[in-house]
Amino acid sequence: GENVEQHPSTLSVQEGDSAVIKCTYSDSASNYFPWYKQELGKRPQLIIDIRSNVGEKKDQRIAVTLNKTAKHFSLHITETQPEDSAVYFCAASISLSFQKLVFGTGTRLLVSP
Amino acid sequence: DGGITQSPKYLFRKEGQNVTLSCEQNLNHDAMYWYRQDPGQGLRLIYYSQIVNDFQKGDIAEGYSVSREKKESFPLTVTSAQKNPTAFYLCASSTNPGQGVNQPQHFGDGTRLSIL
Repeated sequence: GENVEQHPSTLSVQEGDSAVIKCTYSDSASNYFPWYKQELGKRPQLIIDIRSNVGEKKDQRIAVTLNKTAKHFSLHITETQPEDSAVYFCAASISLSFQKLVFGTGTRLLVSP
Repeated sequence: DGGITQSPKYLFRKEGQNVTLSCEQNLNHDAMYWYRQDPGQGLRLIYYSQIVNDFQKGDIAEGYSVSREKKESFPLTVTSAQKNPTAFYLCASSTNPGQGVNQPQHFGDGTRLSIL
């Protein structure tokens, strides 16, 4: 079945630096890749998603890139702020399976002032 | 998202007891999902429902049961057969995919279940 690996598990950066989180997936037919941000004890919130027909998508300080050949996608956060501190999860859709997502194990991002 | 309400926020289960977690949405979404989240792990799918009166097992359905009698509601029962129920349970919903196009899933605030 689909497997999603996420790295690193923890990431510490200084305020203003960029942060990059990487995920790889195994199902070559996956076509939808969302990213969620989860603050401690709260719900995951969708921050950006990308479909397999595009290679990059940006939303202000957040961008996601997709390399279908290599089967990996990455989240890029520029000009990080302390409020970006949270756990970030990537996910990939499962081909031929209604709306099912497989999630990575998460990256804890800590942005220090 | 304010449109998905989970209750209670905290729940305690005694040995041999079944407990039911509530999930209600007013987003008019057809699809609903239940996930389990353990510390340091990603979300794992327990059950999902594409439409009223229909649901399918996810990856870790053993020890759980669901019903989908109304579009707005998708309760999850954690049965006594689930030997390790302590976890954070998240409900989500989405519109149905159009022509196979996945739609974003939006989550409730979760229920934290513990064993007494």
